[in-house]
Amino acid sequence: AQSVAQPEDQVNVAEGNPLTVKCTYSVSGNPYLFWYVQYPNRGLQFLLKYITGDNLVKGSYGFEAEFNKSQTSFHLKKPSALVSDSALYFCAVGKGYAGNMLTFGGGTRLMVKP
Amino acid sequence: NAGVTQTPKFQVLKTGQSMTLQCAQDMNHNSMYWYRQDPGMGLRLIYYSASEGTTDKGEVPNGYNVSRLNKREFSLRLESAAPSQTSVYFCASSDRRSQGETQYFGPGTRLLVL
Repeated sequence: AQSVAQPEDQVNVAEGNPLTVKCTYSVSGNPYLFWYVQYPNRGLQFLLKYITGDNLVKGSYGFEAEFNKSQTSFHLKKPSALVSDSALYFCAVGKGYAGNMLTFGGGTRLMVKP
Repeated sequence: NAGVTQTPKFQVLKTGQSMTLQCAQDMNHNSMYWYRQDPGMGLRLIYYSASEGTTDKGEVPNGYNVSRLNKREFSLRLESAAPSQTSVYFCASSDRRSQGETQYFGPGTRLLVL
C-alpha cells in the first residue's frame, strides 16, 4: 500500500520569506509525485510533478520541489512567498499503470501574511 | 476549452434519495476519476475509468456506482444517499499515453445529505 503524509496542518510565513511545505511518502517501486494547490471553493490545480530525472523540479508560479529518495520526501518550496500563495496544498503519489492512480495527503494550509 | 466540467455545483438531498453527478471533459483524455474530499483527509478515489468502456473501484467505492457513458462523460450515482456521503466530489481526467500523466480536476460538486 502507498501513503502520503503532510505533517503540518498549517504553515504560516511572512510575505517575502521563503516557504516550505513538507511531504513524505511510502510506495513500493519508483514513485510518481505531484503537488496540487486548491483555492477556496475551487478544484485542484496542478503545480508540478516528479517522474524521473533531476531531483529538483520546477513548476508553476515560482514553486519548486526537491525529490529526496533516501528520506522519501518531496517538499514544496518557494524562495519568496506572496500573499496570493495562501491556499490549501496537496501532495500526492501515483501508482498503477503509468502512475495515474493517485493517493493524496491530508493537505497543508499555507497562510502568507503581509 | 472548458477542461473538466461538473454539474450540479451544489445539491441538498434527504437520506435515501438518489442522484447522479455529471462530469464531462473536452481534452480527449482516456482516463477519468471520481474523488471525494473530506476535511483533513485529502482526496480519496471512489471509482476510475482507465478507458472508455471500463470502470474500476478505488479506495472508497461503497454506496456509489459509475457509468462511463462515452469518452467525454463519466457519471457518479448515489442510489440511496446517506449523511456519511456529505462531501465535496471532484471529477478528474488524464491522458494515459505516458508515465505519470497529470490529472486535471473539475470545480467540484458540494453535496449535503440531511
